[in-house]
Amino acid sequence: ILNVEQSPQSLHVQEGDSTNFTCSFPSSNFYALHWYRWETAKSPEALFVMTLNGDEKKKGRISATLNTKEGYSYLYIKGSQPEDSATYLCASINAGNMLTFGGGTRLMVKP
Amino acid sequence: DSGVTQTPKHLITATGQRVTLRCSPRSGDLSVYWYQQSLDQGLQFLIQYYNGEERAKGNILERFSAQQFPDLHSELNLSSLELGDSALYFCASSVAHGYGYTFGSGTRLTVV
Repeated sequence: ILNVEQSPQSLHVQEGDSTNFTCSFPSSNFYALHWYRWETAKSPEALFVMTLNGDEKKKGRISATLNTKEGYSYLYIKGSQPEDSATYLCASINAGNMLTFGGGTRLMVKP
Repeated sequence: DSGVTQTPKHLITATGQRVTLRCSPRSGDLSVYWYQQSLDQGLQFLIQYYNGEERAKGNILERFSAQQFPDLHSELNLSSLELGDSALYFCASSVAHGYGYTFGSGTRLTVV
């Protein structure tokens, strides 16, 4: 069973601050790493799907990196805005086809 | 609207009963996944179907079963319900293995 861990569990930042979160996952039988954004009372929304070691993806002010050899991914948010407040989930999928989610990092951006 | 439709949105039922949750995947997506989110728990993978066939199984109880029909919609059947089965059940779909998942809005099940 995969064990996907995210840190920190929660984070409070001021508007304009840049921030980053960590996702660690087992590197054996790795297939892909997903990042999702989950706003309260909504459903998770896919941000990135990453498969290759060294991959970097960017969407607006949000970017992510992937290290499959050591089993970690970072999500960066530049210049946080109140609308970035959400829970950010990472999930790892292995060759056995199971997408296993971490517990999430809850981000709160204060205006 | 994500394109993944789950019904019903809310369900309240008594212990011992059986319920069926329904999911229609986004158009063109062949894979359907079921996840359970209990209070203070993360998303727990239950089961995956691809084009009608079971592909992966997670922490799904024997009291639970699922299937995917020829039109690709899926149903999750929960029987002999217990209080601890109260949770938010999400369905997600993807076009294929390795692509991002599109989640439905979930079915909130309350067992009383």
